[in-house]
Amino acid sequence: QVQLQESGPGLVRPSQTLSLTCTVSGGSISSGDYYWTWIRQPPGKGLEWIGYIYHSGSTYYKPSLNSRVTISLDTSKNQFSLRLTSVTAADTAVYYCARDTIIMLRGVNHPTFDHWGQGILVTVSS
Amino acid sequence: DIQMTQSPSSLSASVGDRVTITCRASQGIGNSLAWYQQKPGTVPKVLIYAASTLQSGVPSRFSGSGSGTDFALTISSLQPEDVATYYCEKYNSAPRTFGQGTKVEIK
Repeated sequence: QVQLQESGPGLVRPSQTLSLTCTVSGGSISSGDYYWTWIRQPPGKGLEWIGYIYHSGSTYYKPSLNSRVTISLDTSKNQFSLRLTSVTAADTAVYYCARDTIIMLRGVNHPTFDHWGQGILVTVSS
Repeated sequence: DIQMTQSPSSLSASVGDRVTITCRASQGIGNSLAWYQQKPGTVPKVLIYAASTLQSGVPSRFSGSGSGTDFALTISSLQPEDVATYYCEKYNSAPRTFGQGTKVEIK
């Protein structure tokens, strides 16, 4: 059974860089047709997709965050990471890592977030 | 980017009621839509993908419908364990986008 676990600081100062790591167990991050994804949820609000990295290393980020976001892969540790620069209070959220799995149905791909980490609350405050 | 708009933002219904949540895409997305359930204090769980295909293990009282721009999630007989916030999500192309959520409570 695949499990994901986020780790990193729970408090980040404004204008600094938020760095989080997701450790994957129960399966290799290098194999399979998965997109390793970061999603966040401000307190009391909805879900926001941040971006993903494929095992090949290719990435895609939400356009409004593109200039501040980097997602990277460390296959030796079976981890992937999120860096978000120049943070403000608006970046305060629970950050989730998730596995995006492609389901093939009648010849069409249907990606779903089928495994999630428990989430980590990151507060941006001085 | 394609925007996803859910309605209502919240609802309160009695146990056994039929409940419907709608989701509208700002552009056509075919059937590239999923529904997620997030119970209080837990992570989201996928209920439906391809607009109407039930994820394995999800109770049959949940169903999805629609294509193009208009979609719906229906709970045929609301149960106490269905108290949650429900999100639609489009995945026809990146960036992926969620609706703002619909909070379902028991009256």
